[in-house]
Amino acid sequence: ELKVEQNPLFLSMQEGKNYTIYCNYSTTSDRLYWYRQDPGKSLESLFVLLSNGAVKQEGRLMASLDTKARLSTLHITAAVHDLSATYFCAVDPGTYKYIFGTGTRLKVLA
Amino acid sequence: KAGVTQTPRYLIKTRGQQVTLSCSPISGHRSVSWYQQTPGQGLQFLFEYFSETQRNKGNFPGRFSGRQFSNSRSEMNVSTLELGDSALYLCASNWNTVEGESYEQYFGPGTRLTVT
Repeated sequence: ELKVEQNPLFLSMQEGKNYTIYCNYSTTSDRLYWYRQDPGKSLESLFVLLSNGAVKQEGRLMASLDTKARLSTLHITAAVHDLSATYFCAVDPGTYKYIFGTGTRLKVLA
Repeated sequence: KAGVTQTPRYLIKTRGQQVTLSCSPISGHRSVSWYQQTPGQGLQFLFEYFSETQRNKGNFPGRFSGRQFSNSRSEMNVSTLELGDSALYLCASNWNTVEGESYEQYFGPGTRLTVT
């Protein structure tokens, strides 16, 4: 069964610092998504990665996909408080069934 | 363009009762997926529908069922509610019409179900 693991599960970081969230998955797939969820809210789509080597950037966030290593990363540059949220990766193995990672709860401290 | 809508937003039920949740996808989207989100289990896939057909389902007991109507609106039903069914139920829609293609999902606000 496909497993999607994220690390770290919790991340507390100072404003202005850089950090990376990792998403490992256990089966072949070249389709991966990143979502953000604020407390009590629904999921907001951040990035769609549909091929090996794909890199997408939006503001202080950059996501990449290495399908050979079955690894995606979400890099945060110069974090700000507004980025505090839970971040999920999700893998689409092509069976109409998206499998979500465990989530990374990010807290950016002023 | 209106987003994915879910009704009701909040629901309190008693053990043993049944509940029906509704989801209206973004106009033009024909694929609707349902997820259960709990603090302990995270986000778990329930089922996916396209053109009134269930194309995949997750590992949930038969008490969880769903359907999709010809206008792409979807409902999910949970019978004989248990305390462990308390969760946020999320619906997502996308353009996926072609086997093998992949599209980002757009999520609704969710229905918060509390079973007492």
